[in-house]
Amino acid sequence: GAGVSQSPSNKVTEKGKDVELRCDPISGHTALYWYRQSLGQGLEFLIYFQGNSAPDKSGLPSDRFSAERTGGSVSTLTIQRTQQEDSAVYLCASSLIAGQADEQYFGPGTRLTVT
Amino acid sequence: RKEVEQDPGPFNVPEGATVAFNCTYSNSASQSFFWYRQDCRKEPKLLMSVYSSGNEDGRFTAQLNRASQYISLLIRDSKLSDSATYLCVVNRGGYSTLTFGKGTMLLVSP
Repeated sequence: GAGVSQSPSNKVTEKGKDVELRCDPISGHTALYWYRQSLGQGLEFLIYFQGNSAPDKSGLPSDRFSAERTGGSVSTLTIQRTQQEDSAVYLCASSLIAGQADEQYFGPGTRLTVT
Repeated sequence: RKEVEQDPGPFNVPEGATVAFNCTYSNSASQSFFWYRQDCRKEPKLLMSVYSSGNEDGRFTAQLNRASQYISLLIRDSKLSDSATYLCVVNRGGYSTLTFGKGTMLLVSP
């Protein structure tokens, strides 16, 4: 079946511009997660959705970052006024339910470069 | 202390070797533990969950020591295709969200 998809796969933007990153989770998965991974670094948790609500936004690095999820499916991560330090691979994952032992399935990521 | 700590490596081993990775975690409330594998410029994929009693999947064995708060992964009879970064993953206490270690790089050579 179809896995998690993300778009765009690559995005180059100028400093100060806004960007939107999209994630389509696996159909039927109620939990959705956003992470980012900078070069040579581990995955940094950003935000988690259960359905359309976000019980845990603790990882968002600043108020320039926001995310929403509609219809319990697609999610968008928006970064306003991008900075060079926002350059990273943004990964989305989904899991069937928000259980503690649930496997998370990752999308291929969006590689964001801020120039 | 970092939430999840791993030796970054790289571990360079010949084909057929046995290699072990350890990982320590700081949150004693964590309940779920995993090893994920990440190939270069690819997304992470679940390798195996780690259970209290220890578990084995083919050439891979995972162990959990709650008292010492560490997790291990043993790979026997290494293959070239095992070359990857291995991520130790722990859930964040009562939450569903996961904390990933920075990973241990394994390079298996002919």
